[in-house]
Amino acid sequence: EAQVTQNPRYLITVTGKKLTVTCSQNMNHEYMSWYRQDPGLGLRQIYYSMNVEVTDKGDVPEGYKVSRKEKRNFPLILESPSPNQTSLYFCASSLQQGVGNIQYFGAGTRLSVL
Amino acid sequence: GDSVTQMEGPVTLSEEAFLTINCTYTATGYPSLFWYVQYPGEGLQLLLKATKADDKGSNKGFEATYRKETTSFHLEKGSVQVSDSAVYFCALSDFGGSQGNLIFGKGTKLSVKP
Repeated sequence: EAQVTQNPRYLITVTGKKLTVTCSQNMNHEYMSWYRQDPGLGLRQIYYSMNVEVTDKGDVPEGYKVSRKEKRNFPLILESPSPNQTSLYFCASSLQQGVGNIQYFGAGTRLSVL
Repeated sequence: GDSVTQMEGPVTLSEEAFLTINCTYTATGYPSLFWYVQYPGEGLQLLLKATKADDKGSNKGFEATYRKETTSFHLEKGSVQVSDSAVYFCALSDFGGSQGNLIFGKGTKLSVKP
């Protein structure tokens, strides 16, 4: 089954404790992206990757890191989480970056930073 | 820059009522337009899309027409069901302003009562 898999689904952590949210897709997609969803703000893009070893900042990249060493994986790293990073996070992928391309989303990771 | 504005929610309807969710956009180029739906506890999934002016996207009884003259992409359904309760996001991608990335509206929560 074609899917985007995120782990974990739920995570509670404390300020400053490094964490990684994994994202994997099995569709051989070139493009992958991370978003955060906050009430009243909709989805905002954090980082995206057009292909292996190619990443770029989205609209809200501060406090996040990403890497794309393999085509299928695109982990999101919070080196020193803070309470304002409490949010619902989604990973997405599409065949390529481009106008009209459909993005496929993971089920989400709900993060609470205390 | 590019942006999407959609009507504020929540929207509460009775089963079999007519649904309209308004969406307007600002774009520098010729965007593709999308409606994504997020069911409770799940990630976003594509509902429909349109890639050029006057195109009509349709799926599961939902329709939206790409109106370039009014820069709009309103979502409609003639008879909603309880199972349509979800959050609906209007989005665009445009090489000019968004570099092919998706830009989302803030979402409209729909609740359908039996």
